[in-house]
Amino acid sequence: DVKVTQSSRYLVKRTGEKVFLECVQDMDHENMFWYRQDPGLGLRLIYFSYDVKMKEKGDIPEGYSVSREKKERFSLILESASTNQTSMYLCASSFWARPSYEQYFGPGTRLTVT
Amino acid sequence: EDQVTQSPEALRLQEGESSSLNCSYTVSGLRGLFWYRQDPGKGPEFLFTLYSAGEEKEKERLKATLTKKESFLHITAPKPEDSATYLCAVQAPYGGATNKLIFGTGTLLAVQP
Repeated sequence: DVKVTQSSRYLVKRTGEKVFLECVQDMDHENMFWYRQDPGLGLRLIYFSYDVKMKEKGDIPEGYSVSREKKERFSLILESASTNQTSMYLCASSFWARPSYEQYFGPGTRLTVT
Repeated sequence: EDQVTQSPEALRLQEGESSSLNCSYTVSGLRGLFWYRQDPGKGPEFLFTLYSAGEEKEKERLKATLTKKESFLHITAPKPEDSATYLCAVQAPYGGATNKLIFGTGTLLAVQP
């Protein structure tokens, strides 16, 4: 079975703190993704990576950065956390080529910024 | 603009009452349509991939179908454990070495015993 794990299920941080969210996958997937999910807005793509040290901005990259030093690990960094970054953060991974484009998700990190 | 619309937003069924969820999409060139199930507080769980109109996939009480403009997730004789949010997503031809997905906002299904 595909396994995507995230470093924390719940996280509470203060405004201005630097926050690291880590994601690890064990399926040798080339692509990795970070989303945030908010009620009524659905899943929105923050950043994605299609190879080690490669990254591209998604739809809402402002206030975030990412790091991919190893193929299996993709980190999301909030440089200076703000209350509007309170959300559910989901990591996903997928193969680059067919037969399977589907993304597999981790359990999510519920981040609260106070 | 590429987009995905799911309906209804919420659906309440009695156990055993079959129904369908709809996912309509507008995309310049569909490369794949995906259905996910999401339980509260958890990450989405992959269910099906459909690649071309006319294709159907089945898993237990769920059956997904695809036309050129929409997909349906048919739920036959649902049970309370089928209660979840069902998400639809499409893969658009962004090109390059990636497969970005566009997600709908989901249908919240509640099955009452």
